[in-house]
Amino acid sequence: EIVMTQSPATLSVSPGERATLSCRASQSISSYLSWYQQKPGQAPRLLIYGASTRATGIPARFSGSGSGTEFTLTISSLQSEDFAVYYCQQYDNWLTFGGGTKVEIK
Amino acid sequence: QAQLVESGGGVVQPGTSLRLSCVASGFTFSKYALHWVRQAPGKGLEWVAVISHDGRTERNAESVKGRFTISRDNSRNTVYLQMNTMRDDDTAVYYCARCLGTFGELFPFDYWGQGTRVTVSS
Repeated sequence: EIVMTQSPATLSVSPGERATLSCRASQSISSYLSWYQQKPGQAPRLLIYGASTRATGIPARFSGSGSGTEFTLTISSLQSEDFAVYYCQQYDNWLTFGGGTKVEIK
Repeated sequence: QAQLVESGGGVVQPGTSLRLSCVASGFTFSKYALHWVRQAPGKGLEWVAVISHDGRTERNAESVKGRFTISRDNSRNTVYLQMNTMRDDDTAVYYCARCLGTFGELFPFDYWGQGTRVTVSS
């Protein structure tokens, strides 16, 4: 099983600042990596797939990069609605999720 | 607009069974693989099971293998999760989710249901 490790577990950021979230795979997954956002009491929402392609309706302030084993989700200027938990997911060798990064208000 | 609506959750005792349903609308159901994903209280997401668009292929996570069975009825636009011999650690919100792409199983999930809560407790 491919293990996905996200860091940090919690990220404290002020509104308007940049947030950088990391996700590492235990083996190469090419670009078969997606990112989800989840707010309390809601289902996850797909943000990024193919490591860098934004899903339909996702604002341009969200961007993804990386390939192989190292991936990054960047939120260029945090808005109030972006404070949430973010999960990465690999879909190269079946499916596994990372443990999540909580982005909280500083 | 695609929509997924889960039902069937509740409180059950350890060792018993429960069947979850997920009814889909707004898209051609028979073209998409469907997944179940769960989330224990305060924890992250865990993939549970997948079934192919035509129901011929299914696969479960190791944690539920031999206890949970995924199935679908394309005439009813419904996917099911039969959960047997349930354990305390099966307590979670269970989501059904649709694959982004048609026909294949290994895609990210572009539509999710609202989830149904399952509690296993004596």
